[in-house]
Amino acid sequence: TAGITQAPTSQILAAGRSMTLRCTQDMRHNAMYWYRQDLGLGLRLIHYSNTAGTTGKGEVPDGYSVSRANTDDFPLTLASAVPSQTSVYFCASSDGTSGGAEQFFGPGTRLTVL
Amino acid sequence: GQNIDQPTEMTATEGAIVQINCTYQTSGFNGLFWYQQHAGEAPTFLSYNVLDGLEEKGRFSSFLSRSKGYSYLLLKELQMKDSASYLCAVNDDYKLSFGAGTTVTVRA
Repeated sequence: TAGITQAPTSQILAAGRSMTLRCTQDMRHNAMYWYRQDLGLGLRLIHYSNTAGTTGKGEVPDGYSVSRANTDDFPLTLASAVPSQTSVYFCASSDGTSGGAEQFFGPGTRLTVL
Repeated sequence: GQNIDQPTEMTATEGAIVQINCTYQTSGFNGLFWYQQHAGEAPTFLSYNVLDGLEEKGRFSSFLSRSKGYSYLLLKELQMKDSASYLCAVNDDYKLSFGAGTTVTVRA
């Protein structure tokens, strides 16, 4: 089984351009998440979705938008990229929002904004 | 806001034991996770604690004290493959808040 996949693996993007990072899971998990990981700061939540059709803001949502049209897909869009958005982006999913629901992470997308 | 602290780096010898501490101050608490992350890879689940006490899983154990806002991850019989970052994460309002991670280096 694929689990959770992300595309692209890496990307170099010019500042001011838009880009969509793709995330797909085949585990039928209700909840999905986007994080960015920066050296010394750990994983920070950008946006999340507890179920298809709903989304919420995390700790660092500015400059990013998400949609959740169906259970499997949770794309993250940068409308106008800036260099501070250079980071490694991880998508994750879990089968619920209860306390012990483990999050499964995708392989990550390494984004460089120049 | 959330405040989750763990040491930046630790070094230990193969076969030894290492304890990674995590202290937290969060507005809510629905459990604490430990994840392992090898360089260039995704985090993977190690353990979950929601009640006080020790949870043992093979060579890895995790402890929680809710009253002290404290957890530790104990790695026993260290192997070279245990060289990785270890992430402490608190479930607050059903979203995870992560510490910055502890990089463990295992030496031969």
